[in-house]
Amino acid sequence: QKEVEQNSGPLSVPEGAIASLNCTYSDRVSQSFFWYRQYSGKSPELIMSIYSNGDKEDGRFTAQLNKASQYVSLLIRDSQPSDSATYLCAARRGSGNTGKLIFGQGTTLQVKP
Amino acid sequence: ETGVTQTPRHLVMGMTNKKSLKCEQHLGHNAMYWYKQSAKKPLELMFVYSLEERVENNSVPSRFSPECPNSSHLFLHLHTLQPEDSALYLCASSQDHAGGPQHFGDGTRLSIL
Repeated sequence: QKEVEQNSGPLSVPEGAIASLNCTYSDRVSQSFFWYRQYSGKSPELIMSIYSNGDKEDGRFTAQLNKASQYVSLLIRDSQPSDSATYLCAARRGSGNTGKLIFGQGTTLQVKP
Repeated sequence: ETGVTQTPRHLVMGMTNKKSLKCEQHLGHNAMYWYKQSAKKPLELMFVYSLEERVENNSVPSRFSPECPNSSHLFLHLHTLQPEDSALYLCASSQDHAGGPQHFGDGTRLSIL
């Protein structure tokens, strides 16, 4: 079982729709979770971090965390063609001062005009 | 501008060559990382340095040799690489190595002939 699992996609949504990206993780003690966006040929860019159960909103982005279900999601409202990219989910493995980030393989999002 | 600069951006080398990848961060961070990103695979953590001390080495072949002369600079020395080593090599930095958000450079696209 992969430590952090994402559907590789591609996920295709029309412009203006809500894109929903999902991620599951296997390490129950993971405390911190991050979403990165990576455009083709570019480096991953941090767009959201979430540490506690519930929703966290930042502009058109909402991250959702459910530790009981070991599930993290990213919602993108009013999707734009410029949102087309690969979205990487990352979980901080372990706790205390020794954790490291484990990345999923990424979900490719295509927003069609 | 991510605050993490990698050079060169592209590198083509033969299997018998020796080359080095360079990373420099301007964020005042104390931890630096090397990752390998291959097509359709998750980011693979290779090395972690914290305050110039290597804290993690993820079973990376000895043909990859990291060097961290100070907290702002990180090198990856390459020698006698194999075709399967062709990938995007990403450098990242974070405030500390406890698993917080990481900031990535634009990567070096490495091709082994």
